[in-house]
Amino acid sequence: GNSVTQMEGPVTLSEEAFLTINCTYTATGYPSLFWYVQYPGEGLQLLLKATKADDKGSNKGFEATYRKETTSFHLEKGSVQVSDSAVYFCALSGSARQLTFGSGTQLTVLP
Amino acid sequence: DTGVSQDPRHKITKRGQNVTFRCDPISEHNRLYWYRQTLGQGPEFLTYFQNEAQLEKSRLLSDRFSAERPKGSFSTLEIQRTEQGDSAMYLCASSSGTSTGELFFGEGSRLTVL
Repeated sequence: GNSVTQMEGPVTLSEEAFLTINCTYTATGYPSLFWYVQYPGEGLQLLLKATKADDKGSNKGFEATYRKETTSFHLEKGSVQVSDSAVYFCALSGSARQLTFGSGTQLTVLP
Repeated sequence: DTGVSQDPRHKITKRGQNVTFRCDPISEHNRLYWYRQTLGQGPEFLTYFQNEAQLEKSRLLSDRFSAERPKGSFSTLEIQRTEQGDSAMYLCASSSGTSTGELFFGEGSRLTVL
């Protein structure tokens, strides 16, 4: 079946540091890949997505590239801000558009 | 557009009681999903509706769990004879038929079973 493996957290960085959160997946076929973010006290929201191999999703300075050869979708940001502190979830789409999520990575950015 | 709303936000109950959660999706969305999230884990898919039809329910955790979407609008998730292991956050999400996996989530209903 489908599965997503995410870099374990928590991750603590200083403001303006470079961020990478690793995500690898196992799936049949050609799933779409997503990063969702959950800010404190809020619901999950879509951060970015990629629907086919070599696509790059980007939003709010975050980027992730769909790498079919390594079955990966790592999240990166060149310079994090305190406001980026949140839990980040990697996910893939399966049948009927249901999502399979990773376990989440807690990011804390210190000023 | 008021987003996906869930009620109640927090429910505390005693073991053996029944609980029901309600989800109101974004009005133009025809797909509705229920997920469960336990501490330190990602959301786990439970069931899915397209309009009023429940198209996937094999992932419901046991026969104590049931969901309905009677008129293709709001949905309810009922847990009968609750157990302590049912304590979790229950998330509802909706999407339009044209989206490619983008789900819009509510803030969740947290269940605590004593």
